[in-house]
Amino acid sequence: GAGVSQTPSNKVTEKGKYVELRCDPISGHTALYWYRQSLGQGPEFLIYFQGTGAADDSGLPNDRFFAVRPEGSVSTLKIQRTERGDSAVYLCASSQQGTNTGELFFGEGSRLTVL
Amino acid sequence: GESVGLHLPTLSVQEGDNSIINCAYSNSASDYFIWYKQESGKGPQFIIDIRSNMDKRQGQRVTVLLNKTVKHLSLQIAATQPGDSAVYFCAEKGAGGYNKLIFGAGTRLAVHP
Repeated sequence: GAGVSQTPSNKVTEKGKYVELRCDPISGHTALYWYRQSLGQGPEFLIYFQGTGAADDSGLPNDRFFAVRPEGSVSTLKIQRTERGDSAVYLCASSQQGTNTGELFFGEGSRLTVL
Repeated sequence: GESVGLHLPTLSVQEGDNSIINCAYSNSASDYFIWYKQESGKGPQFIIDIRSNMDKRQGQRVTVLLNKTVKHLSLQIAATQPGDSAVYFCAEKGAGGYNKLIFGAGTRLAVHP
C-alpha cells in the first residue's frame, strides 16, 4: 500500500515482557516519528529519525523504550519490561525531508495492552 | 476500532450546519499551527495549517482562524457532513524545524442527520 504500515495492529502482553512494534513508512520519506496516544488524549511525541539516526529522542519516557531505524526505512520501537502504564496506541508517522509543513502521514497505530 | 475520544468534549451539530471547534495554546513563541482529524481506529489526518504571520487561512470547506493575542485557534467547517464526524486535534510545532508536534486534548465532532 501507499501509506504508513504498522504491525501488529494489536498486541496484548503481560507485565514484564518485551515487545517490538514495527513501522514501514511511505517510500521515500526520510523523516520518521513515533508518537504515543493514551485513551482520550492527543498523541505525544516520542522520537524522531532523520534517515538512520535518532535526531531527537527526548520524548522517550525512560530507558525501557528504544527505537531503531538501521537502514533508514523500517523502524522498530522496542519496549522492555513492559508496565501496565505502557498501554496505549503507538503511532508512527513519516514525512518528506525538508518539508516546511506540519503534515505528517500517520499509520493506523499499534494498540498495546499490558495486563 | 475503539474510539480514541471517550472522555473528550463533544460538539454535536446537525448535518448541513457550520461547525466551530476551538483550541487554546500555551506557548506564545509558537509560530506554526496545524489541525488534524482522527476517525475511530485510524491515525490522525492532516487538515490545514497556519503560520503565526497569518490570522486566517481557508481550505476546502474549512477555515482556520488564529488569534495570537489570546492564544486561540479555531477550525470552522462549512456545511458539516456525516463524514466529518471524528475527533479533531489542534497542534503546534515545537522548536527544531521538524515535526515535533504538541497536540491539544481534542474535541469530538458528532454530526447528526
